[in-house]
Amino acid sequence: GAVVSQHPSRVICKSGTSVKIECRSLDFQATTMFWYRQFPKQSLMLMATSNEGSKATYEQGVEKDKFLINHASLTLSTLTVTSAHPEDSSFYICSARDNRGANTQYFGPGTRLTVL
Amino acid sequence: AQSVSQHNHHVILSEAASLELGCNYSYGGTVNLFWYVQYPGQHLQLLLKYFSGDPLVKGIKGFEAEFIKSKFSFNLRKPSVQWSDTAEYFCAATATSGTYKYIFGTGTRLKVLA
Repeated sequence: GAVVSQHPSRVICKSGTSVKIECRSLDFQATTMFWYRQFPKQSLMLMATSNEGSKATYEQGVEKDKFLINHASLTLSTLTVTSAHPEDSSFYICSARDNRGANTQYFGPGTRLTVL
Repeated sequence: AQSVSQHNHHVILSEAASLELGCNYSYGGTVNLFWYVQYPGQHLQLLLKYFSGDPLVKGIKGFEAEFIKSKFSFNLRKPSVQWSDTAEYFCAATATSGTYKYIFGTGTRLKVLA
């Protein structure tokens, strides 16, 4: 149980295009999901907290107009990187907190974004 | 400010050696503590967690961790490591209410030599 999927696993795009990444909780409902960036050989940096039915909460320094988050259902959150640039290339990871309690996040496998 | 620190950034051990990875936290209020493991090319997996009760927590794959409140520590241990334990290990803390967002440590890269 407690499986989180992400799609796509890899994406390569041209500078200036937008990319959407999906995060799904497969066997549980998640009112709250989280989006992270992980740079090579570094820890995870929380970008934003995604709340079902309400606006996402962004961490300091994260541009909300660049990283659009939509959490339209209890099992799906999407992150759209708008007008992507090479500096947005990174590994994006989502996690989901199970609504059944147990204050635990379950992580997706990540999405490798490369912007040319 | 809330923070989690992991002192060992890189650890190299031979198989069968004992492992202890340090984790200290700075948090106001009650915390929940976690250890996650990230094997090469894979996603983060939960090793174990501490919410309350017995401060010695047993997790998967033979790992355990001890919560020492007086030292603000939650060190990860394994009596005898295997080559397959080669991975990156992350300690994380979160408040027991509110946003539930994690604060991660910087991670410890463990390499086990066969």
